[in-house]
Amino acid sequence: DAGVIQSPRHEVTEMGQEVTLRCKPISGHDYLFWYRQTMMRGLELLIYFNNNVPIDDSGMPEDRFSAKMPNASFSTLKIQPSEPRDSAVYFCASSRGAGANVLTFGAGSRLTVL
Amino acid sequence: TQLLEQSPQFLSIQEGENLTVYCNSSSVFSSLQWYRQEPGEGPVLLVTVVTGGEVKKLKRLTFQFGDARKDSSLHITAAQTGDTGLYLCAGDRGGYQKVTFGTGTKLQVIP
Repeated sequence: DAGVIQSPRHEVTEMGQEVTLRCKPISGHDYLFWYRQTMMRGLELLIYFNNNVPIDDSGMPEDRFSAKMPNASFSTLKIQPSEPRDSAVYFCASSRGAGANVLTFGAGSRLTVL
Repeated sequence: TQLLEQSPQFLSIQEGENLTVYCNSSSVFSSLQWYRQEPGEGPVLLVTVVTGGEVKKLKRLTFQFGDARKDSSLHITAAQTGDTGLYLCAGDRGGYQKVTFGTGTKLQVIP
């Protein structure tokens, strides 16, 4: 398996622009997680899905953030409009089965908002 | 509120030295995981501990879960430069798939 695939790896954009980050989880994994990592706050859970359904989005910082999972092999995290404080590395991770709690992470998308 | 506090935050040691990293919480966890993250990559799972008092060994790495399942430690014997990275503990409180990550320990092993 190719693992969790994220794109783009790097994104530089200007404040106010829309940003879309993409994730392809491992085939057969029924849980998908979006995390954000910064020096100040470490690794924070933004939202997670089970069988394509959002279960907990309490970590999504503002209405500017939205996430979708239209099918089992694809998810997006969108920021509109983006702000400089959104600059971070965004990770997607997937896992299989309740109770496993073993996350496989993608390589991350480094976002810089100028 | 950070549920999982790791110490130390930073650690720089010489190759061949031993070290211990701690992960502490006031909450009880169903299981606890340790991950290592290298620059430009996502965290990679090292081990999962489930039972209070459990000890697991992975080559030169020894992981222990506290008896009360509130804390854990990672001990590295004879550190190598390849051990350099960010070490993260992560705990889950069961009932749902939600893992909370610790504050992280950045380890640098100098040749």
